[in-house]
Amino acid sequence: AAGVIQSPRHLIKEKRETATLKCYPIPRHDTVYWYQQGPGQDPQFLISFYEKMQSDKGSIPDRFSAQQFSDYHSELNMSSLELGDSALYFCASSLGGSPLHFGNGTRLTVT
Amino acid sequence: GQQLNQSPQSMFIQEGEDVSMNCTSSSIFNTWLWYKQDPGEGPVLLIALYKAGELTSNGRLTAQFGITRKDSFLNISASIPSDVGIYFCAGPSYSGAGSYQLTFGKGTKLSVIP
Repeated sequence: AAGVIQSPRHLIKEKRETATLKCYPIPRHDTVYWYQQGPGQDPQFLISFYEKMQSDKGSIPDRFSAQQFSDYHSELNMSSLELGDSALYFCASSLGGSPLHFGNGTRLTVT
Repeated sequence: GQQLNQSPQSMFIQEGEDVSMNCTSSSIFNTWLWYKQDPGEGPVLLIALYKAGELTSNGRLTAQFGITRKDSFLNISASIPSDVGIYFCAGPSYSGAGSYQLTFGKGTKLSVIP
């Protein structure tokens, strides 16, 4: 079965640079979520989109923005990167209120 | 915000042993989810619980949704080396806008000694 696809798997950036993470949800899923997971931490909710409209916002810094496109893929844009942004970033998708299915994440390292 | 208290934080067990971990909350959840995460990978859904008192199995895994809807446990029977990983409980908070936020427990790190 198709899963959530994220790219890239690994990304290394320097401080103050910009990063863009991409997510392709499971086909026919109508909701996309972004989570951030620091080392040894549980995933923290950033933002979600339902039918291409932002639906909920969590602890997402103002330096980050996201959108969902007409083909339902989503991108997380991160600017003015800081060392503390180094983490695993997961995208997840769901259909209606069904449980979230997570991608394998993008490991972002900021140096 | 809502918090999930998950215990134990870590476990070291012998292969073949049974494992039990649990999650409690000060708030009521209408759904409880259990995920497993391998290093460097995304969380994978193991079991979803929707009704208070519900007991659900998935192979060697069994999970129950507490009657009060404030707790859940996950049991793994006859553990094998591939059970190694971090197990998270999670509960959804619905925003009413077609999506929900998942609150995760802090995880239980399971190590299996062959």
